[in-house]
Amino acid sequence: QKEVEQNSGPLSVPEGAIASLNCTYSDRGSQSFFWYRQYSGKSPELIMSIYSNGDKEDGRFTAQLNKASQYVSLLIRDSQPSDSATYLCAVNMINTGNQFYFGTGTSLTVIP
Amino acid sequence: EAQVTQNPRYLITVTGKKLTVTCSQNMNHEYMSWYRQDPGLGLRQIYYSMNVEVTDKGDVPEGYKVSRKEKRNFPLILESPSPNQTSLYFCASSLSWGQGMIIFGPGTRLTVL
Repeated sequence: QKEVEQNSGPLSVPEGAIASLNCTYSDRGSQSFFWYRQYSGKSPELIMSIYSNGDKEDGRFTAQLNKASQYVSLLIRDSQPSDSATYLCAVNMINTGNQFYFGTGTSLTVIP
Repeated sequence: EAQVTQNPRYLITVTGKKLTVTCSQNMNHEYMSWYRQDPGLGLRQIYYSMNVEVTDKGDVPEGYKVSRKEKRNFPLILESPSPNQTSLYFCASSLSWGQGMIIFGPGTRLTVL
């Protein structure tokens, strides 16, 4: 089992719709969870962090964390073509040393 | 401006020719890390450093070396590059391991012939 798993996609949604991105992780002791966006040929940029169970909202983005299910998700409301990118889930793993693990990413395309 | 810089941005080299990719951050971050990104495999951690003079192996350390003599710099050394090290490399830093908020450099695209 990979430490952090994401559906690779591609995920296509129409402009204005809600895009839902999902991530599961293996280390039950993990405390910190992050979502990054990566445009083609660019470096990843942090868009959301979440540390507690529940929802965290920032503009059109909502991160959701369920530690019991070892599941974290990202919702993008009112999706725009500029949201088309690869979204990476990252987790601080305590039980495997002081490492950040990234999922392989989900490719999102927002269709105008 | 807070940033992580890497040099060179692009490099084509030949098998066995030692090379160094530099990484520098200006944010006084304690945690620094190197990743490589390959299609279908995502970002994989090569080495990381919790602070000056403290380095540890990540998931794919074979063929790489690092050093952390100063807080701001974390160079990646390939003593004898091989074609399977052709990849996109990212340096990243964070205030501390527990703080997350990793900030990435612009990337170095390395081709080993």
